[in-house]
Amino acid sequence: GAVVSQHPSWVICKSGTSVKIECRSLDFQATTMFWYRQFPKQSLMLMATSNEGSKATYEQGVEKDKFLINHASLTLSTLTVTSAHPEDSSFYICSANDRGPRGYTFGSGTRLTVV
Amino acid sequence: GESVGLHLPTLSVQEGDNSIINCAYSNSASDYFIWYKQESGKGPQFIIDIRSNMDKRQGQRVTVLLNKTVKHLSLQIAATQPGDSAVYFCAERTPRDDYKLSFGAGTTVTVRA
Repeated sequence: GAVVSQHPSWVICKSGTSVKIECRSLDFQATTMFWYRQFPKQSLMLMATSNEGSKATYEQGVEKDKFLINHASLTLSTLTVTSAHPEDSSFYICSANDRGPRGYTFGSGTRLTVV
Repeated sequence: GESVGLHLPTLSVQEGDNSIINCAYSNSASDYFIWYKQESGKGPQFIIDIRSNMDKRQGQRVTVLLNKTVKHLSLQIAATQPGDSAVYFCAERTPRDDYKLSFGAGTTVTVRA
């Protein structure tokens, strides 16, 4: 079945630094990937839709200059949290549209802690 | 914007009993619905899906019911097991929005031994 690999699974960074999270589709080509953020005991909130070869579409209230998304190939999308602050600490999850019967495959998530 | 919501935030179930998790959605244009299970620190795991042209779908120990008249979705888990303890989300897809998924608030299911 479709597999999405997300890396790293957890990261701790200092306030003011940038962190890159990778999302790879291992056995299929993903023209569209989605990035979600999840705070403790809350639901997944869509941050942006990433389309290969074009600019990402951000949801209302998500700062595109802070959360940089690059989808340069059909198997890789990256999310860079720039100038991270403690309030950016969260669980970030990517999803790829695999165009299969289930449509969506999720990564295992990245726990970001900004200190 | 419109979003999917859930009726109950928590559900405690005796092992072996059946579980019913409810979900209300508000977007009549949604054409596809998915139930996910999420364990602590992990990504969502697909359980079962249903398209808007159906009202019931069964899987292994799980059944999803869709009532479009009242915009209601439910997940039934038969013979609930300790391994079913997790947070359950329903998600809806709206074709006009790049096929993105909107998630409900989630129901935490705890199975009592």
